[in-house]
Parts: sequence; structure tokens; C-alpha cells
Amino acid sequence: DAGVIQSPRHEVTEMGQEVTLRCKPISGHNSLFWYRQTMMRGLELLIYFNNNVPIDDSGMPEDRFSAKMPNASFSTLKIQPSEPRDSAVYFCASTKLAGARTDTQYFGPGTRLTVL
Amino acid sequence: AQSVTQLDSHVSVSEGTPVLLRCNYSSSYSPSLFWYVQHPNKGLQLLLKYTSAATLVKGINGFEAEFKKSETSFHLTKPSAHMSDAAEYFCVVRGDSTLTFGKGTMLLVSP
Repeated sequence: DAGVIQSPRHEVTEMGQEVTLRCKPISGHNSLFWYRQTMMRGLELLIYFNNNVPIDDSGMPEDRFSAKMPNASFSTLKIQPSEPRDSAVYFCASTKLAGARTDTQYFGPGTRLTVL
Repeated sequence: AQSVTQLDSHVSVSEGTPVLLRCNYSSSYSPSLFWYVQHPNKGLQLLLKYTSAATLVKGINGFEAEFKKSETSFHLTKPSAHMSDAAEYFCVVRGDSTLTFGKGTMLLVSP
């Protein structure tokens, strides 16, 4: 299995631009998670989906952030407009079924976002 | 609600000596606990997990962790450190559906 795939691996953009991060979960996994990692705040859950439906988006910082999962094999995290404080590493993770006793989340390699 | 505290932000060991990374948790549920490792500029890799089976859990690369309910601890150990173990380690507790991560412990291994 290829594992969780994220693109791009690195993104440098200017303040005010729209940024779209992409994630392909492991085939057969029904739950997908977006995390943000910064030095100051560590790893934070932004949003997660079960069966393509957003379940908990309470971690999304503000309305500039949006996430979609149009099908079981693809998700996007969009920031519009981007700001320098959005600079972080964004991870996508997937698991067979969130909430199952034995579920294990598998992480992608991350997208390092720099907003100038 | 659940939380996890990693007691050391940095741990330094010499190659060949034992490793101990400490973690305490709190959870309203009977917890599932995990240790993940992150090498520089890499994603997170699962080392091991506890899900209410045996309290001593063996993971990859010679790591193991012991779940102690009375102490609400899940410390990570390895008998002999290797240079390739240098990385950041995260203790994680799972609530109903989501994971809560500790702040991480950076393991430094010197020759």
C-alpha cells in the first residue's frame, strides 16, 4: 500500500493568496483527519471526516479554513486568504473507522506551508 | 475529555544506554494509548499501541511501553539506544474518536 499521500510536500505563498492542500487516504479507510503542527501549539486536530462526512470541525481556526471530502479517496484543506500565522506543517491521517477500539491512524508525510 | 503530559521536553542518552520517555494521561474512558515517532522532516510513524489487552506492549525497533492504570502512566522504554532513534516522540491518548497528542519529547543520542 502506498500509505497516505499528501501534496504538495512544500508550499511557499504570499499573504492573501489561496492555498489548497491535498490528501489521498489509504484505500479502504473510512475516516480522515487533518492536523496542524507548529512549534508553539504542537499537533492540533483541525477536522475529521467519517465516510466523507465532516464530523467535528471545532479545531478549524476560523472561516478562512475549509475542508472537503468529495469522495472516499480525496480530501482538500483550503486556506483563503492565507496569513503568515498559518505557516505550519499540515498532516493528513486516515484510519478504518474512527472510534473503533482498535483503530490506528496512519499519517501522511505532511505539507510544509510557508506564508510570506 | 482526555489529556496527556509528556514529562520531559528533551532526553539525552548515549548510544547503547537505556531510554526512558515518560508519559502520564488522563481519560474519562478506558483509554487507548499510542506512541508515535517523528524523524526530522518526516511524518509520524506508529511505534506501538495499547488497547486494553496486555499491559506490556512491544513495538517496532525494540521499543516497548507499559500501561500502569494505578499511576496513569504509559512510559516508553528501550534497553539500548541507537543513533537512529534520535527523533521526536509523541504520547497519544484516544478519546471517543479523536486523538490528543502530548507536546513531544525530543530524544538526543550521542555516540
